[in-house]
Amino acid sequence: EAAVTQSPRNKVTVTGGNVTLSCRQTNSHNYMYWYRQDTGHGLRLIHYSYGAGNLQIGDVPDGYKATRTTQEDFFLLLELASPSQTSLYFCASSDDRGREQYFGPGTRLTVL
Amino acid sequence: QQQVRQSPQSLTVWEGETAILNCSYENSAFDYFPWYQQFPGEGPALLISILSVSDKKEDGRFTIFFNKREKKLSLHIADSQPGDSATYFCAAMSNYNVLYFGSGTKLTVEP
Repeated sequence: EAAVTQSPRNKVTVTGGNVTLSCRQTNSHNYMYWYRQDTGHGLRLIHYSYGAGNLQIGDVPDGYKATRTTQEDFFLLLELASPSQTSLYFCASSDDRGREQYFGPGTRLTVL
Repeated sequence: QQQVRQSPQSLTVWEGETAILNCSYENSAFDYFPWYQQFPGEGPALLISILSVSDKKEDGRFTIFFNKREKKLSLHIADSQPGDSATYFCAAMSNYNVLYFGSGTKLTVEP
């Protein structure tokens, strides 16, 4: 049974649109992460959190907000989507050592 | 700037050959180096990892060679199989639970 799930799996929106990507983990992990994956760049960290109500800024945070409502749930918000945010988004979780991150299946977002 | 660099961008080997994937880094504070394997349509998954106190780590057909002085490491996949065809990411971490990923190497193993 998948321990990190993401929804939706695919999303198409228009420039200026509002998008929320959802992630849930059942690993009982404190750490959760949002990445974007683009060809030539690998995975780049957007935001991460070490518990409900906590938020840390990653390497590419501009244009993204995130919220961690519970230990299980982490959301990524794009309030004014732009075509540059077209990407494959991954959520991951890890224990407090952080050495193994468990990834979800990804959400492909297209901004027209 | 990219803190972790990988080469080549893509690699094709024949079944049974050894595939060699390269990685380098800049930050001397990095002390943990995992390699992740990603199949199409899936998220990455941890394959093998090494700490900077070691110079070699083996797990079956997969071996990491680590050179701390040169800030380089490589993943060797012995007796490559078509099922090893995937994208491989080198990553690095220091103390703060943040992984820095390279841009990946797409490996194709031809039967």
